[in-house]
Amino acid sequence: SQQGEEDPQALSIQEGENATMNCSYKTSINNLQWYRQNSGRGLVHLILIRSNEREKHSGRLRVTLDTSKKSSSLLITASRAADTASYFCATDGVGSNYKLTFGKGTLLTVNP
Amino acid sequence: EPEVTQTPSHQVTQMGQEVILRCVPISNHLYFYWYRQILGQKVEFLVSFYNNEISEKSEIFDDQFSVERPDGSNFTLKIRSTKLEDSAMYFCASSVLAGTGELFFGEGSRLTVL
Repeated sequence: SQQGEEDPQALSIQEGENATMNCSYKTSINNLQWYRQNSGRGLVHLILIRSNEREKHSGRLRVTLDTSKKSSSLLITASRAADTASYFCATDGVGSNYKLTFGKGTLLTVNP
Repeated sequence: EPEVTQTPSHQVTQMGQEVILRCVPISNHLYFYWYRQILGQKVEFLVSFYNNEISEKSEIFDDQFSVERPDGSNFTLKIRSTKLEDSAMYFCASSVLAGTGELFFGEGSRLTVL
């Protein structure tokens, strides 16, 4: 089974608009993280939300977590061209403390 | 700002050759990882390493793969006999806490097997 599936696969918006990306997962988790990857670069951690949290904010980022639906969303407000990147959710698994499972990612393009 | 560094940035090798990818994790981190990303696909977990031993590995991490921390700073991934399907970007990561915490990734080593 796939753990951490994002949708949409690709999203194109204009600068200043908000971007929302979703992630679904299948097994119980301790926490869920979002990472960003610029083309050809490494992954950069954005935000972590624990299974007992429902919402978390960091700057222009807002993450929600619904454990009953096994889903999360990442909202980027007032997007900038520099936000253009791929965004991945990553989940651990209850009973596994050492492994993150990444989704396929959402490619966000912010047009100036 | 501390960062994870990886070398080489790109390596081209012939099928069947041995490859060693090197990583210098952040100095006060205790947990080390290798992930790989085949072009256009998802990032896949290979192995985690803590206290000088493998703590978890995936089904991808078969007998052709090994990891080592030969000294206090380097963390290496060895592929003994490369296959075409090993072509990928290999990312090293480290963390202060176990895998449920924030991972710090290097920029990756692109491996091309011909």
